[in-house]
Amino acid sequence: DAGITQSPRHKVTETGTPVTLRCHQTENHRYMYWYRQDPGHGLRLIHYSYGVKDTDKGEVSDGYSVSRSKTEDFLLTLESATSSQTSVYFCAIRTGTGGFGEQFFGPGTRLTVL
Amino acid sequence: AQSVTQLGSHVSVSEGALVLLRCNYSSSVPPYLFWYVQYPNQGLQLLLKYTSAATLVKGINGFEAEFKKSETSFHLTKPSAHMSDAAEYFCAVQQRDDKIIFGKGTRLHILP
Repeated sequence: DAGITQSPRHKVTETGTPVTLRCHQTENHRYMYWYRQDPGHGLRLIHYSYGVKDTDKGEVSDGYSVSRSKTEDFLLTLESATSSQTSVYFCAIRTGTGGFGEQFFGPGTRLTVL
Repeated sequence: AQSVTQLGSHVSVSEGALVLLRCNYSSSVPPYLFWYVQYPNQGLQLLLKYTSAATLVKGINGFEAEFKKSETSFHLTKPSAHMSDAAEYFCAVQQRDDKIIFGKGTRLHILP
């Protein structure tokens, strides 16, 4: 499982509240990713990081921010949650430092916004 | 930007029959390509990967995929389906900017 954990695993929150999801890895991989998974859409990239304090947007980044202050942790924040952000969120790491690498995924966080 | 298209959101095959899941990519340069499997209520697991070393790639659980540049395809096959193969399968492409883009997935149903 490449030592990836996500917390919390389940969360129910209300519209307008801030939410932070945490991804933790134990193997010092440079690349980390946040995806959301929704029926009919597959996995869509929200943000990714290629090093401490180095992040970039994915295809569905609106309404989300990320931070990576140390190698092992990659945080995803919903500043003001909306019902459209109800989803399953997966964190992933990518092995290698450049070129080809394999992705390994965390167990996911199921977020419900009421 | 690169994209991945998986043909068929649901595919049903009989146990013991050939499994064929289709994936086409758009890329101006040879990409890195992947197939992942997701079992219910679990994360994604890598089945196989193409990195330009060989066009026919063998993966876990008897799956294989063939890279065809002329068709921009990377279809996943298995000669004989097993009930345990029922899952959702995702094709993905790694872009030059390190983004990894996924297709929308194909749910494979195995009929007894």
